[in-house]
Amino acid sequence: EPEVTQTPSHQVTQMGQEVILRCVPISNHLYFYWYRQILGQKVEFLVSFYNNEISEKSEIFDDQFSVERPDGSNFTLKIRSTKLEDSAMYFCASSLRSGSFFYSPLHFGNGTRLTVT
Amino acid sequence: KNEVEQSPQNLTAQEGEFITINCSYSVGISALHWLQQHPGGGIVSLFMLSSGKKKHGRLIATINIQEKHSSLHITASHPRDSAVYICAVPFYGGSQGNLIFGKGTKLSVKP
Repeated sequence: EPEVTQTPSHQVTQMGQEVILRCVPISNHLYFYWYRQILGQKVEFLVSFYNNEISEKSEIFDDQFSVERPDGSNFTLKIRSTKLEDSAMYFCASSLRSGSFFYSPLHFGNGTRLTVT
Repeated sequence: KNEVEQSPQNLTAQEGEFITINCSYSVGISALHWLQQHPGGGIVSLFMLSSGKKKHGRLIATINIQEKHSSLHITASHPRDSAVYICAVPFYGGSQGNLIFGKGTKLSVKP
């Protein structure tokens, strides 16, 4: 069964550094998402992406964050200047469809654990 | 904004027991997700349902739209079912992936 792949599985970075988290969604999927989960807390929505642009974003997704689909397969999340509070597990997900009447299942990657020191 | 409440927070069961996890939400939705988070952290989508009942193997999910309540049942539980089970609903007015997640129910099944 096709999978969503995330790399790296664990990233350690120093405060103030830029990080790029990478995801390869399922090839025929059209909708892409990033979520984060701070240790011991709920999963939180960050952003959704469709047709090469952001379709929705949460309050968490401020100017420090950006997403890109640089080619036909990768979907990236960039944090420009990391802070200690950015330490979390970041999940990528993709789906074939979206919308009120055409929901399709979400497929999640295994996550990237980001540690900011 | 939709609030999602799950119960119980923690659940310990003996192998073979029937398990029920509950989820309540505050605003009407068009679909609800049940997710499983493995001890290693990865998330798997179990069900997405908008009405009635769905079954997959030993897992059954039900939803009552009028009561804004869903349940996840596991029949003949097994130690490999040990995981965190998460309920999630769409942010009101948002797209499918713009989800509000519950805190999760941590299930531990003892042999």
